[in-house]
Amino acid sequence: GIQVEQSPPDLILQEGANSTLRCNFSDSVNNLQWFHQNPWGQLINLFYIPSGTKQNGRLSATTVATERYSLLYISSSQTTDSGVYFCAVDTGRRALTFGSGTRLQVQP
Amino acid sequence: DTAVSQTPKYLVTQMGNDKSIKCEQNLGHDTMYWYKQDSKKFLKIMFSYNNKELIINETVPNRFSPKSPDKAHLNLHINSLELGDSAVYFCASSQVQPPEAFFGQGTRLTVV
Repeated sequence: GIQVEQSPPDLILQEGANSTLRCNFSDSVNNLQWFHQNPWGQLINLFYIPSGTKQNGRLSATTVATERYSLLYISSSQTTDSGVYFCAVDTGRRALTFGSGTRLQVQP
Repeated sequence: DTAVSQTPKYLVTQMGNDKSIKCEQNLGHDTMYWYKQDSKKFLKIMFSYNNKELIINETVPNRFSPKSPDKAHLNLHINSLELGDSAVYFCASSQVQPPEAFFGQGTRLTVV
């Protein structure tokens, strides 16, 4: 099956800093999503981005499907950005394969 | 107006018991899923249902039986619970296109 690798596994930032999270995947996909799992365990949809670039406030994402990677940018980080960020992909079999996540801690 | 809702949110039960988790979506999606998140936060697909038909069963023990009474509901019944079943179980739903999945708030199952 498809492999999904996320980096870095852990990230500690000071409030206000910017960061880039990376997701590499091993096969063509028809779905790529970024999620934020907050400290209460909720999985929050950030982006549906099988290709191209999207922005939502301080967050933006880019997927280069031909090179099989996606990047999530967080600018001016806030303590509420803390949690685990997951990349998940689907090759068309109607199920997401998740990466192991990037654990982000934003310190005040 | 919760899009994907699961009940209960927490479930504590003894080994050997049978329990069910319910899921409902009001998004009009035709595909529903169950995912399991283990203690290391790793998320893995268990089942996918499309229009009430099982399309993915990811080598899950027979003690787990999903039931889809209609397109908007997908319940998970677990027989003879074991300690290793302790995890967070997430329900999700999506359309065929775009296949963006939306998740419920999760059910934390603890088997003691």
